Amino acid sequence: KNQVEQSPQSLIILEGKNCTLQCNYTVSPFSNLRWYKQDTGRGPVSLTIMTFSENTKSNGRYTATLDADTKQSSLHITASQLSDSASYICVVSGGGANSKLTFGKGITLSVRP
Amino acid sequence: NAGVTQTPKFQVLKTGQSMTLQCAQDMNHEYMSWYRQDPGMGLRLIHYSVGAGITDQGEVPNGYNVSRSTTEDFPLRLLSAAPSQTSVYFCASSYSFPREQFFGPGTRLTVL
Repeated sequence: KNQVEQSPQSLIILEGKNCTLQCNYTVSPFSNLRWYKQDTGRGPVSLTIMTFSENTKSNGRYTATLDADTKQSSLHITASQLSDSASYICVVSGGGANSKLTFGKGITLSVRP
Repeated sequence: NAGVTQTPKFQVLKTGQSMTLQCAQDMNHEYMSWYRQDPGMGLRLIHYSVGAGITDQGEVPNGYNVSRSTTEDFPLRLLSAAPSQTSVYFCASSYSFPREQFFGPGTRLTVL
C-alpha cells in the first residue's frame, strides 16, 4: 500500500534557527517527490519537486534532499523566519501503473520570535 | 495570470441541499483535480480530469459529481449535502500528470 509518513507531527523553533522535516514513503515504483508549503487558510504552494535522479534541490532557504534507495526525503529550512510558520506537506507521485499522488498529513511548523 | 481561482470562499449548507463549487484556471492546463482536506488527514482526491470531456473518480468520489466542458473550468457538485462533507475543498491544476500542481485558495464548506 502506498504510504507517506511525515515527522515530527509538529515543531516549534525560534526565529533564526534551522530545522529539518522528514518524509518517509513506501510508494513504488517512484516518479517524483514534492514538498509543499501551506499557510493557514491558503492553498498549498510548491517548494520543490525532485525526480529519482536528483539528490538535492534548493529554493532559497529551503533545501530538499532525496534518498531513493532508503525512500526518505528531508526538507531543511535555514535561518527560519516568522513567515515560515505553516504546514509542510510531502507528496509522492508513483510511476507506471502506480501513477497517482500520495499525500502526507503534513508537519505544522511554528516559528516564534 | 490569475492562476487557479475558486468560488465561493466560504459556504454554509443545510443537510440535503445541493450546490456547485466553482474552479477555473487560466494557465491552459490539461489536468485538473478536486481534493478535500480534513483535520489530521492528508489531502484526499475526489475527482480529476485529464482534459475537456474526460473525468474520473479519485479516492473519495461518493456524493460528488464533476464535469469538464472546457479546459478552463472544472466545477464540483454536491448532490445532497451531508455533515460528513464539511471540509475544506481545494481545486488544483497542472500542465499534465505528474507535473507540478497549482492549488486554488480553497472553499471552506460547512454542512449543518
